[in-house]
Amino acid sequence: GNSVTQMEGPVTLSEEAFLTINCTYTATGYPSLFWYVQYPGEGLQLLLKATKADDKGSNKGFEATYRKETTSFHLEKGSVQVSDSAVYFCALSHIIQGAQKLVFGQGTRLTINP
Amino acid sequence: DAGVIQSPRHEVTEMGQEVTLRCKPISGHDYLFWYRQTMMRGLELLIYFNNNVPIDDSGMPEDRFSAKMPNASFSTLKIQPSEPRDSAVYFCASSLVWGGDGYTFGSGTRLTVV
Repeated sequence: GNSVTQMEGPVTLSEEAFLTINCTYTATGYPSLFWYVQYPGEGLQLLLKATKADDKGSNKGFEATYRKETTSFHLEKGSVQVSDSAVYFCALSHIIQGAQKLVFGQGTRLTINP
Repeated sequence: DAGVIQSPRHEVTEMGQEVTLRCKPISGHDYLFWYRQTMMRGLELLIYFNNNVPIDDSGMPEDRFSAKMPNASFSTLKIQPSEPRDSAVYFCASSLVWGGDGYTFGSGTRLTVV
């Protein structure tokens, strides 16, 4: 079946460090891929997305490239800030019975220290 | 649009009491989803609706849980009777029918059953 596996957390970095959070997926067909971010006490917010192979999603300095050959969608940021501290979820979408269903990874908690 | 609106933000209730959580989806979104988030189990899909009709409730933990969507702009998730193990954050999300846009989440209701 369809599934998403994320890098286990928690991840702790210093401000201005380079960030990578790994995400790999298993899916039939050609799913869309997403990264969601959840700040403390809030719901999940869409951070970026990619809808086909080799697409790069980007937002707020974060990037992720849809790699079909390695079934991966790793999240990267060149220089993290304290305000990036949050839980990050990788997800894929597929269509079942006419509905767009999202399958989420388990989430990776990121803490950035000043 | 104000986004997906959930109420209340926090709910504390005693074991055995009835709890009702409310959600207003984004206008024009055809799908509505209820999720539960806990530390142990992560994000779990409880039930989803298409055009106000429940499509898949296989994630509802037991008969104590019920969900309704009487019209396109309102849904409820009810727990009766509530138990301490129901303590979690409950999220509502909505989406369009097609497209790779993912879901829009509400801010959640933090439920504590004592």
